[in-house]
Amino acid sequence: GAGVSQTPSNKVTEKGKYVELRCDPISGHTALYWYRQSLGQGPEFLIYFQGTGAADDSGLPNDRFFAVRPEGSVSTLKIQRTERGDSAVYLCASSLIISRSTDTQYFGPGTRLTVL
Amino acid sequence: AQKITQTQPGMFVQEKEAVTLDCTYDTSDQSYGLFWYKQPSSGEMIFLIYQGSYDEQNATEGRYSLNFQKARKSANLVISASQLGDSAMYFCAMREGGGGADGLTFGKGTHLIIQP
Repeated sequence: GAGVSQTPSNKVTEKGKYVELRCDPISGHTALYWYRQSLGQGPEFLIYFQGTGAADDSGLPNDRFFAVRPEGSVSTLKIQRTERGDSAVYLCASSLIISRSTDTQYFGPGTRLTVL
Repeated sequence: AQKITQTQPGMFVQEKEAVTLDCTYDTSDQSYGLFWYKQPSSGEMIFLIYQGSYDEQNATEGRYSLNFQKARKSANLVISASQLGDSAMYFCAMREGGGGADGLTFGKGTHLIIQP
């Protein structure tokens, strides 16, 4: 079946602009996660959705970052007033929650965001 | 303190040899899950193997096995009979079953290069 898809694959924007990144999870997966991966680092957790609600947004770096998942499937990560430090690969993952510690997350190909 | 430590930034291994990638973790939870992901140069994160904290047997998936030493808080990935296609970044990750953020916590990764 289809895996996690993310669009766009690349996004170049100017400092101060607003961007939206989209994630389409694996069909039937109730849990959805956003991560950010800077060059040479492992992914860092941003936010977790269980269904439509953000169950944990403790990883969002500041209030310029926001994410929604209005119908419990597709999610959009929104970044306002982008800064050069926001440049990174944004990864989305989804999973079938069985239990918290056994949950295997499957990742999309990522969106590479470059802020000029 | 870092929750996931991968001490090998890079490794060169001859094709067909076995390779061990190190991972140590830090948690006070009794219930947790440990995961290994492969990230080729194309960027996607590919799930390889999972080990639960209560699992008594070491996990195996094809050529991948996990050397789980709970008392030492160690979860090393072993790749048998390495192939050129194994060249990639490898990330160890953990999700705690109790408190803490809901996302995976990743190490900094090991860049594995298989030489012919």
